Amino acid sequence: AQSVAQPEDQVNVAEGNPLTVKCTYSVSGNPYLFWYVQYPNRGLQFLLKYITGDNLVKGSYGFEAEFNKSQTSFHLKKPSALVSDSALYFCAVRDTLTGGGNKLTFGTGTQLKVEL
Amino acid sequence: KAGVTQTPRYLIKTRGQQVTLSCSPISGHRSVSWYQQTPGQGLQFLFEYFSETQRNKGNFPGRFSGRQFSNSRSEMNVSTLELGDSALYLCASSLDGAMNTEAFFGQGTRLTVV
Repeated sequence: AQSVAQPEDQVNVAEGNPLTVKCTYSVSGNPYLFWYVQYPNRGLQFLLKYITGDNLVKGSYGFEAEFNKSQTSFHLKKPSALVSDSALYFCAVRDTLTGGGNKLTFGTGTQLKVEL
Repeated sequence: KAGVTQTPRYLIKTRGQQVTLSCSPISGHRSVSWYQQTPGQGLQFLFEYFSETQRNKGNFPGRFSGRQFSNSRSEMNVSTLELGDSALYLCASSLDGAMNTEAFFGQGTRLTVV
């Protein structure tokens, strides 16, 4: 069965500094990986995905993520954080081997707090 | 292009009642998935419908059911409500059945069971 781990419940960073939100995954086959962001009382917004190809994936709002197969990681990054980036971030995976259609397995989420 | 629309946004129900939630996917999208979000359990997959057929189901009791109509709109029903069913219910639509397509989420329905 697939699983996702987000080891940090909260990440604090100063505005203008780079940020990293960590994600590791476990699948039987090849992973399809996704990052979503959730603002209070809202649904999830899609940020970026890794399907195949270049390990560095660029997404919305200046976010990018690096796929590392040997470390089974897919960390979310941004070179310069903004206060408006403060939100709850979710990593998710689909396992290409076990199928399951469009089912996404999510991590527990990481609360990002960007301070002035 | 309109996004995923979920109605109602908020619901308060009494234990033992049943409830129906509605989801209209993005125009042209054929796959609709439902998720339950709670502080304790996080985001959990309920089920997915594709072309009016349930394609995948999560580990929830039979009180949770759903369906999809020919226009891809979907409904989710929960019968005999329990206090633990209080949650944010999220609907997500995807263009097709391909696993490499991203899902787009609605704003959710906040269900409170009292």
